[in-house]
Amino acid sequence: DQQVKQNSPSLSVQEGRISILNCDYTNSMFDYFLWYKKYPAEGPTFLISISSIKDKNEDGRFTVFLNKSAKHLSLHIVPSQPGDSAVYFCAATYTGNQFYFGTGTSLTVIP
Amino acid sequence: DGGITQSPKYLFRKEGQNVTLSCEQNLNHDAMYWYRQDPGQGLRLIYYSQIVNDFQKGDIAEGYSVSREKKESFPLTVTSAQKNPTAFYLCATQDGGNQPQHFGDGTRLSIL
Repeated sequence: DQQVKQNSPSLSVQEGRISILNCDYTNSMFDYFLWYKKYPAEGPTFLISISSIKDKNEDGRFTVFLNKSAKHLSLHIVPSQPGDSAVYFCAATYTGNQFYFGTGTSLTVIP
Repeated sequence: DGGITQSPKYLFRKEGQNVTLSCEQNLNHDAMYWYRQDPGQGLRLIYYSQIVNDFQKGDIAEGYSVSREKKESFPLTVTSAQKNPTAFYLCATQDGGNQPQHFGDGTRLSIL
């Protein structure tokens, strides 16, 4: 039972443009959401998080948007850089410690 | 992540053998986790531990065992009962609830 879904396995974007990665969830109890970035043969690295009491959180080039009514989460990267090329995972929790991960979206930023 | 060491990076074992994956942390985090990643799938939780000498099963605990005798260490044993053990295994720590989990660089286990 996949409670967190990333329906786009891959995404290609030109350098300097905006990258938008999407994530949908089914469990309305989730109250804390995160995005991770992962390079091959490495562990995921935390990027940005958002609590359900907010609908937006920004950190530099990264912004996460939360639409609770649609059960939808998105990560915007502006401007996209070649070093952003990686697999991005969204994750969610309602217990604070058990996280449910999406299947990942592979982002390629084309120079 | 600095402070979380998983070893070895690659591990090969014969079918039917138990194998233990190491995870050590110096972040002083109370909680530790083991995940499994298969191609095209997200991370799935195997076991987690909130404090020393206590641990709970995750979604896919069958065929695995863990121990938490020290705060710094959370080894995972893949037993011969695990039907499909070939995967990428990730260890994570967490400093309190609703905080990001921090990951090691993983161990890729292949069963020959």
